[in-house]
Parts: sequence; C-alpha cells; structure tokens
Amino acid sequence: ILNVEQSPQSLHVQEGDSTNFTCSFPSSNFYALHWYRWETAKSPEALFVMTLNGDEKKKGRISATLNTKEGYSYLYIKGSQPEDSATYLCASLGQNFVFGPGTRLSVLP
Amino acid sequence: NAGVTQTPKFQVLKTGQSMTLQCAQDMNHEYMSWYRQDPGMGLRLIHYSVGAGITDQGEVPNGYNVSRSTTEDFPLRLLSAAPSQTSVYFCASSHNGQINEQFFGPGTRLTVL
Repeated sequence: ILNVEQSPQSLHVQEGDSTNFTCSFPSSNFYALHWYRWETAKSPEALFVMTLNGDEKKKGRISATLNTKEGYSYLYIKGSQPEDSATYLCASLGQNFVFGPGTRLSVLP
Repeated sequence: NAGVTQTPKFQVLKTGQSMTLQCAQDMNHEYMSWYRQDPGMGLRLIHYSVGAGITDQGEVPNGYNVSRSTTEDFPLRLLSAAPSQTSVYFCASSHNGQINEQFFGPGTRLTVL
C-alpha cells in the first residue's frame, strides 16, 4: 500500500486568516482524489471528489486543486471561521483506496 | 433517509469474545466498506463489498469477517477479539464504488480488554 501524506499535521490560525494544506499521493494508476471534513465526535463528510489533472472545485470559502502528474492536491480555506475547525482528510483512489492521516485545523476566535 | 447507521455506538469486549458490528444504509448504494481509525493514522480499509454477495479484503482484514446478503446491510464480525482491535470502526457506502464520495456512519467505539 503506497502512502498518502498530508501536511501540516496540525495548524492553528486566527479567525479571518486564509490557509491551505497539502495532500501528496502516488501519481501512478490514479483514478480519484477525495477531500473530507471531519469534526470531532462526528463522522467524515465529503467536500470534494476530483478526477482530472487541473481540476479545481469550490464550495463556499473552501476550494481544492488537483495535480495528478506530480501527485498532489491543495485545499484552501479563505477567511477561516471557528466553525472550520476540524480534521481535513484526503484519500487517493489508485490501485487501492488510501486515506491520509489528516490535517487538524484549529481556528481561534 | 437515515443514511448510514451503525450499532452499537460503544462496546467493551474481553479478549477472545466474538461480536458483530452492524451497518445498514437506505440509499441503495452498491458499495459498502468498513474502516478502522487509530490515533495518528488515517482510516484503514478492513473489508469492502461492491454489491450483494460480493466481498473483498482491504488493507487490514485479519481477524475480521464480513458478508453481504442484502444491498442494505454489511455486518463486520470479530471472530476472537484481541486488544489490538481496540479502535473506532466506521462503515461507509457510496454509489458506484470509491470513485464517488463515501457516506460514513457515526462510528462504533470498541474496546477490547
């Protein structure tokens, strides 16, 4: 099982700051890249699923990009709010479906 | 729609006991899967099913069995519980497999003493 990596492991930002984090995945045999938002004591909820190189998706203040040739995806949050505090997971579908360890975001009011 | 439901929410077992974690979905999804979540690690796939009567192993299948007799239900059986199986277990379902977004259940927190 090839690894999916996410960075940073955690970060703290002030309310109103914009932030971004990275998901790195194997670029061979790639089919799809998922992003999930996981709040404490809840279950993961899908944000985006992207399949094509250069894909960009947006939902409100959150957006994501995909580079399948080099094997990375960025998740951006514009104007972070305390309710954005959560763990953000990516998962890569290639030969296997593998989740990264997540980036834990804390937005301080 | 209830979405994906899991029972029980919490369970404590003794080493060597067996039990079944239940998972059901009412979205008519073909694909269902079980994950375990351990501190510092991502969700790891235990078993999955692409439709009734069809199951396959994921990344960490040892010690677990599954069956899929109906589209709605996908139970996970622990044959002889071990402390290493202490974890939070999530069931998920999706339409047309892993190419589409997964819908997760609320999780079952299992402790094996």
